Amino acid sequence: EAGVAQSPRYKIIEKRQSVAFWCNPISGHATLYWYQQILGQGPKLLIQFQNNGVVDDSQLPKDRFSAERLKGVDSTLKIQPAKLEDSAVYLCASSLADRATTDTQYFGPGTRLTVL
Amino acid sequence: AQSVAQPEDQVNVAEGNPLTVKCTYSVSGNPYLFWYVQYPNRGLQFLLKYITGDNLVKGSYGFEAEFNKSQTSFHLKKPSALVSDSALYFCAVRDLNSGYSTLTFGKGTMLLVSP
Repeated sequence: EAGVAQSPRYKIIEKRQSVAFWCNPISGHATLYWYQQILGQGPKLLIQFQNNGVVDDSQLPKDRFSAERLKGVDSTLKIQPAKLEDSAVYLCASSLADRATTDTQYFGPGTRLTVL
Repeated sequence: AQSVAQPEDQVNVAEGNPLTVKCTYSVSGNPYLFWYVQYPNRGLQFLLKYITGDNLVKGSYGFEAEFNKSQTSFHLKKPSALVSDSALYFCAVRDLNSGYSTLTFGKGTMLLVSP
């Protein structure tokens, strides 16, 4: 079974530029998550989708971050404009369903963003 | 609010010795607990989880974890460490009674196994 795919793996941009990350979850997984992992910290949830609807975006900085999950499969996360403090690894995860809160989340390899 | 504490930034152990990585948690309802491992430049890999039942949970790569409700702990253990176990380990908790509650991660513990 293929895992969660993410691209690009690395991205370097200057502050105030925009950037987008892509995620393809495990086939059949209804729930998709985007996490931000700052160096030295654990992952922090940014947004959670169930199918193509947003379940939780309470920690997403909506003035600069946006995300969508068209057709309930792939997802993109965008930052516009980027700030220095956005330098982090952005992890995508998926799980089979969210109604069953015992579901395991499976993570992709992440995208390491450096903002100069 | 739910939270996780991993009190050790780093754990050092010699190959062949037993290892323990500590985790304590706080939730208002019943906990759902995970351990994940992260290798350099890789995403998080699932190791094991506790939902209910036997307090000793067995997972991947010979790891196990012991749930202790009275101490609100979920320590990760392995009887005999390997150099290849060196990685960053994360404990995470979710409240089983909170519907769409998020998974809250600890800050991670770096495990270094010396030859």
